[in-house]
Amino acid sequence: LAKTTQPISMDSYEGQEVNITCSHNNIATNDYITWYQQFPSQGPRFIIQGYKTKVTNEVASLFIPADRKSSTLSLPRVSLSDTAVYYCLVGRRLGGGATNKLIFGTGTLLAVQP
Amino acid sequence: EAGVTQFPSHSVIEKGQTVTLRCDPISGHDNLYWYRRVMGKEIKFLLHFVKESKQDESGMPNNRFLAERTGGTYSTLKVQPAELEDSGVYFCASSQDGGIPGELFFGEGSRLTVL
Repeated sequence: LAKTTQPISMDSYEGQEVNITCSHNNIATNDYITWYQQFPSQGPRFIIQGYKTKVTNEVASLFIPADRKSSTLSLPRVSLSDTAVYYCLVGRRLGGGATNKLIFGTGTLLAVQP
Repeated sequence: EAGVTQFPSHSVIEKGQTVTLRCDPISGHDNLYWYRRVMGKEIKFLLHFVKESKQDESGMPNNRFLAERTGGTYSTLKVQPAELEDSGVYFCASSQDGGIPGELFFGEGSRLTVL
């Protein structure tokens, strides 16, 4: 699976839009991109997933350029409660419906200030 | 709907003792995963069950770790004998076939402290 690289930390203020970019230069054709959020003392929580172009849900947007070598998680109007570690992961769907294991990197610690 | 539950939330044992961690996945989820984060390190994959079968156990660190999932429901992860470097947080996750491929539902983790 492709190795991911993302900033170690980011700072933001309440109400701002936050964009976290992740690079995955060796992504393969069958790979998808997934983002997770983790609060202290909790397990990671799925945010969004995409394969190409743009995906939006009620929490975030995910932008993936045509070459798929990077992706950007966009969090609109962050609040203090969005302070967490955000992980970018590349996964590969196996045949027969069995999902592949996810490889976590270091993640990006987003600190939202008032 | 109940999420993934893990027990105990925290366990403190002495080196050489045995500990068994339990994970109850979301009902109907055939896929069950164990991950762990040791102090200061990244979350690492341990193994993946599909129902009661081990699909991938490439992340299991050594033969002191034994994972089981009898009947394809809950799973246990036994560490025997525990060593200091086993301290960390052990996460269990589950997913269903046919769902979003990368969407795993994680429990809150079991923190293991080996003294």
